[in-house]
Amino acid sequence: QKEVEQNSGPLSVPEGAIASLNCTYSDRGSQSFFWYRQYSGKSPELIMFIYSNGDKEDGRFTAQLNKASQYVSLLIRDSQPSDSATYLCALPEGGNTGKLIFGQGTTLQVKP
Amino acid sequence: DTEVTQTPKHLVMGMTNKKSLKCEQHMGHRAMYWYKQKAKKPPELMFVYSYEKLSINESVPSRFSPECPNSSLLNLHLHALQPEDSALYLCASSHDRDQPQHFGDGTRLSIL
Repeated sequence: QKEVEQNSGPLSVPEGAIASLNCTYSDRGSQSFFWYRQYSGKSPELIMFIYSNGDKEDGRFTAQLNKASQYVSLLIRDSQPSDSATYLCALPEGGNTGKLIFGQGTTLQVKP
Repeated sequence: DTEVTQTPKHLVMGMTNKKSLKCEQHMGHRAMYWYKQKAKKPPELMFVYSYEKLSINESVPSRFSPECPNSSLLNLHLHALQPEDSALYLCASSHDRDQPQHFGDGTRLSIL
Protein backbone atom coordinates (compact mmCIF):
# COMPACT_ATOMS: atom_id res chain seq x y z
CA GLN A 1 0.00 0.00 0.00
CA LYS A 2 1.58 3.25 -1.14
CA GLU A 3 1.68 6.06 1.38
CA VAL A 4 2.12 9.81 1.14
CA GLU A 5 3.07 11.80 4.20
CA GLN A 6 2.64 15.52 4.79
CA ASN A 7 2.98 17.62 7.92
CA SER A 8 -0.57 18.81 8.67
CA GLY A 9 0.66 22.16 10.00
CA PRO A 10 -0.45 24.82 10.22
CA LEU A 11 2.62 26.28 8.57
CA SER A 12 2.68 29.98 9.28
CA VAL A 13 4.82 32.38 7.25
CA PRO A 14 4.88 36.18 6.99
CA GLU A 15 3.75 37.88 3.81
CA GLY A 16 6.56 38.07 1.25
CA ALA A 17 8.44 35.07 2.65
CA ILE A 18 9.09 31.72 0.96
CA ALA A 19 6.73 28.95 2.05
CA SER A 20 8.15 25.42 1.80
CA LEU A 21 5.73 22.51 1.80
CA ASN A 22 7.07 18.98 1.91
CA CYS A 23 5.77 15.55 1.01
CA THR A 24 7.42 12.13 1.35
CA TYR A 25 6.28 8.95 -0.33
CA SER A 26 6.83 5.27 0.29
CA ASP A 27 7.07 3.69 -3.18
CA ARG A 28 10.43 4.25 -4.84
CA GLY A 29 8.84 3.40 -8.20
CA SER A 30 6.45 6.38 -8.16
CA GLN A 31 6.83 8.50 -11.30
CA SER A 32 4.29 11.33 -11.17
CA PHE A 33 3.51 13.86 -8.46
CA PHE A 34 0.73 16.41 -8.23
CA TRP A 35 0.15 19.40 -5.98
CA TYR A 36 -3.35 20.66 -5.30
CA ARG A 37 -4.44 23.81 -3.49
CA GLN A 38 -7.73 23.74 -1.64
CA TYR A 39 -9.32 26.80 -0.10
CA SER A 40 -11.67 26.23 2.82
CA GLY A 41 -15.04 25.05 1.54
CA LYS A 42 -13.85 24.83 -2.06
CA SER A 43 -12.66 22.05 -4.35
CA PRO A 44 -9.01 21.07 -4.97
CA GLU A 45 -7.25 22.98 -7.73
CA LEU A 46 -4.30 21.46 -9.60
CA ILE A 47 -1.39 23.90 -9.36
CA MET A 48 1.69 21.84 -10.27
CA PHE A 49 2.72 18.44 -11.51
CA ILE A 50 6.23 17.04 -11.86
CA TYR A 51 7.62 13.86 -13.33
CA SER A 52 11.39 14.37 -13.46
CA ASN A 53 14.05 14.85 -10.82
CA GLY A 54 14.92 18.47 -10.22
CA ASP A 55 12.92 21.67 -10.22
CA LYS A 56 9.90 22.83 -12.17
CA GLU A 57 8.92 26.48 -11.97
CA ASP A 58 5.58 28.15 -12.74
CA GLY A 59 5.32 31.76 -11.68
CA ARG A 60 5.76 31.98 -7.91
CA PHE A 61 5.54 28.20 -7.54
CA THR A 62 8.44 25.74 -7.77
CA ALA A 63 8.05 22.00 -7.42
CA GLN A 64 11.16 20.05 -6.45
CA LEU A 65 11.47 16.30 -6.85
CA ASN A 66 14.18 14.12 -5.33
CA LYS A 67 13.48 10.48 -6.22
CA ALA A 68 16.55 9.16 -4.40
CA SER A 69 15.30 10.61 -1.13
CA GLN A 70 11.63 10.06 -2.01
CA TYR A 71 10.39 13.55 -1.37
CA VAL A 72 8.68 16.23 -3.35
CA SER A 73 8.42 19.86 -2.26
CA LEU A 74 6.41 22.89 -3.23
CA LEU A 75 7.99 26.32 -2.76
CA ILE A 76 5.86 29.44 -2.88
CA ARG A 77 7.90 32.61 -3.31
CA ASP A 78 6.65 36.04 -2.19
CA SER A 79 3.83 34.42 -0.23
CA GLN A 80 0.56 36.34 -0.16
CA PRO A 81 -2.39 36.09 2.25
CA SER A 82 -4.36 34.72 -0.73
CA ASP A 83 -2.03 31.69 -0.68
CA SER A 84 -3.51 30.66 2.68
CA ALA A 85 -5.06 27.27 1.97
CA THR A 86 -4.53 23.55 2.38
CA TYR A 87 -2.01 22.04 -0.03
CA LEU A 88 -2.47 18.39 -0.98
CA CYS A 89 0.30 16.22 -2.39
CA ALA A 90 -0.88 13.29 -4.52
CA LEU A 91 0.53 10.56 -6.72
CA PRO A 92 -1.02 7.83 -8.85
CA GLU A 93 -1.40 4.43 -7.23
CA GLY A 94 0.01 3.03 -10.45
CA GLY A 95 -0.98 0.22 -12.76
CA ASN A 96 -3.04 2.72 -14.76
CA THR A 97 -5.90 2.45 -12.24
CA GLY A 98 -6.48 6.20 -12.10
CA LYS A 99 -6.53 6.10 -8.31
CA LEU A 100 -4.64 8.92 -6.59
CA ILE A 101 -2.97 8.49 -3.22
CA PHE A 102 -3.34 11.76 -1.30
CA GLY A 103 -1.40 13.06 1.64
CA GLN A 104 -3.43 14.49 4.52
CA GLY A 105 -2.60 18.03 3.36
CA THR A 106 -0.62 20.90 4.88
CA THR A 107 -2.46 24.03 5.98
CA LEU A 108 -0.57 27.20 5.09
CA GLN A 109 -1.27 30.50 6.80
CA VAL A 110 0.32 33.64 5.34
CA LYS A 111 0.15 36.49 7.83
CA PRO A 112 0.04 40.11 6.56
CA ASP B 1 -14.35 28.81 -12.76
CA THR B 2 -13.30 25.29 -13.66
CA GLU B 3 -13.58 23.33 -16.88
CA VAL B 4 -15.41 20.55 -15.06
CA THR B 5 -18.95 21.67 -14.31
CA GLN B 6 -20.98 20.13 -11.51
CA THR B 7 -24.65 20.66 -10.71
CA PRO B 8 -26.25 21.36 -8.37
CA LYS B 9 -23.81 23.25 -6.14
CA HIS B 10 -25.87 22.50 -3.04
CA LEU B 11 -28.39 19.75 -2.36
CA VAL B 12 -30.47 19.00 0.72
CA MET B 13 -32.42 15.78 0.67
CA GLY B 14 -34.28 13.47 2.98
CA MET B 15 -33.30 9.89 3.51
CA THR B 16 -36.13 8.61 1.31
CA ASN B 17 -35.48 10.92 -1.64
CA LYS B 18 -33.94 10.10 -5.00
CA LYS B 19 -31.70 12.71 -6.59
CA SER B 20 -28.88 12.88 -9.10
CA LEU B 21 -25.59 14.78 -9.27
CA LYS B 22 -24.34 15.79 -12.69
CA CYS B 23 -20.86 16.42 -14.04
CA GLU B 24 -19.78 17.63 -17.48
CA GLN B 25 -16.40 18.22 -19.07
CA HIS B 26 -15.49 19.36 -22.58
CA MET B 27 -11.73 18.88 -22.44
CA GLY B 28 -11.82 15.61 -24.36
CA HIS B 29 -10.72 13.74 -21.25
CA ARG B 30 -11.33 9.99 -21.32
CA ALA B 31 -11.23 9.31 -17.58
CA MET B 32 -13.76 10.66 -15.09
CA TYR B 33 -14.04 10.20 -11.36
CA TRP B 34 -16.36 10.64 -8.40
CA TYR B 35 -14.94 11.50 -5.00
CA LYS B 36 -16.41 12.10 -1.56
CA GLN B 37 -14.71 14.57 0.77
CA LYS B 38 -15.36 15.14 4.45
CA ALA B 39 -14.13 18.22 6.30
CA LYS B 40 -10.37 18.37 6.90
CA LYS B 41 -9.80 15.08 5.02
CA PRO B 42 -8.41 14.46 1.54
CA PRO B 43 -10.81 13.37 -1.21
CA GLU B 44 -11.82 9.74 -1.08
CA LEU B 45 -12.23 7.95 -4.42
CA MET B 46 -15.60 6.37 -5.14
CA PHE B 47 -15.66 5.47 -8.85
CA VAL B 48 -13.42 5.61 -11.91
CA TYR B 49 -14.77 5.63 -15.45
CA SER B 50 -12.36 5.10 -18.33
CA TYR B 51 -13.55 5.39 -21.93
CA GLU B 52 -17.14 5.44 -20.58
CA LYS B 53 -16.76 2.13 -18.77
CA LEU B 54 -16.67 1.67 -15.01
CA SER B 55 -13.16 0.52 -14.13
CA ILE B 56 -13.08 1.01 -10.35
CA ASN B 57 -15.77 0.85 -7.68
CA GLU B 58 -14.18 1.41 -4.30
CA SER B 59 -16.72 -0.78 -2.46
CA VAL B 60 -19.23 2.05 -2.46
CA PRO B 61 -22.69 1.23 -1.03
CA SER B 62 -25.34 0.53 -3.65
CA ARG B 63 -27.30 3.61 -2.60
CA PHE B 64 -24.78 5.44 -4.82
CA SER B 65 -25.16 4.51 -8.49
CA PRO B 66 -22.89 6.01 -11.15
CA GLU B 67 -23.74 6.41 -14.81
CA CYS B 68 -21.70 7.61 -17.78
CA PRO B 69 -24.08 8.46 -20.66
CA ASN B 70 -21.26 9.65 -22.95
CA SER B 71 -17.64 10.75 -22.90
CA SER B 72 -18.49 14.22 -21.54
CA LEU B 73 -21.07 13.40 -18.89
CA LEU B 74 -21.00 11.59 -15.58
CA ASN B 75 -23.93 11.22 -13.21
CA LEU B 76 -24.22 9.98 -9.66
CA HIS B 77 -27.68 8.72 -8.69
CA LEU B 78 -28.53 8.89 -5.02
CA HIS B 79 -31.20 6.89 -3.20
CA ALA B 80 -31.97 6.23 0.46
CA LEU B 81 -28.88 8.04 1.71
CA GLN B 82 -27.87 8.19 5.34
CA PRO B 83 -26.89 11.26 7.41
CA GLU B 84 -23.25 10.13 7.32
CA ASP B 85 -23.34 10.55 3.53
CA SER B 86 -23.42 14.32 4.01
CA ALA B 87 -20.21 15.58 2.38
CA LEU B 88 -18.73 17.45 -0.56
CA TYR B 89 -19.02 15.32 -3.72
CA LEU B 90 -16.39 16.03 -6.30
CA CYS B 91 -16.19 15.10 -9.94
CA ALA B 92 -12.82 15.09 -11.69
CA SER B 93 -11.50 14.28 -15.13
CA SER B 94 -8.13 13.55 -16.69
CA HIS B 95 -6.75 12.97 -20.17
CA ASP B 96 -6.29 9.33 -19.25
CA ARG B 97 -5.91 7.35 -16.05
CA ASP B 98 -2.82 8.25 -13.97
CA GLN B 99 -2.72 11.72 -15.58
CA PRO B 100 -3.30 14.93 -13.56
CA GLN B 101 -6.93 15.21 -12.52
CA HIS B 102 -8.98 18.38 -12.74
CA PHE B 103 -11.76 18.83 -10.21
CA GLY B 104 -15.12 20.50 -10.53
CA ASP B 105 -16.43 22.88 -7.88
CA GLY B 106 -18.29 20.07 -6.15
CA THR B 107 -21.79 19.50 -4.82
CA ARG B 108 -22.30 20.04 -1.11
CA LEU B 109 -24.80 17.41 -0.03
CA SER B 110 -26.73 17.45 3.22
CA ILE B 111 -28.92 14.52 4.28
CA LEU B 112 -31.67 15.32 6.74
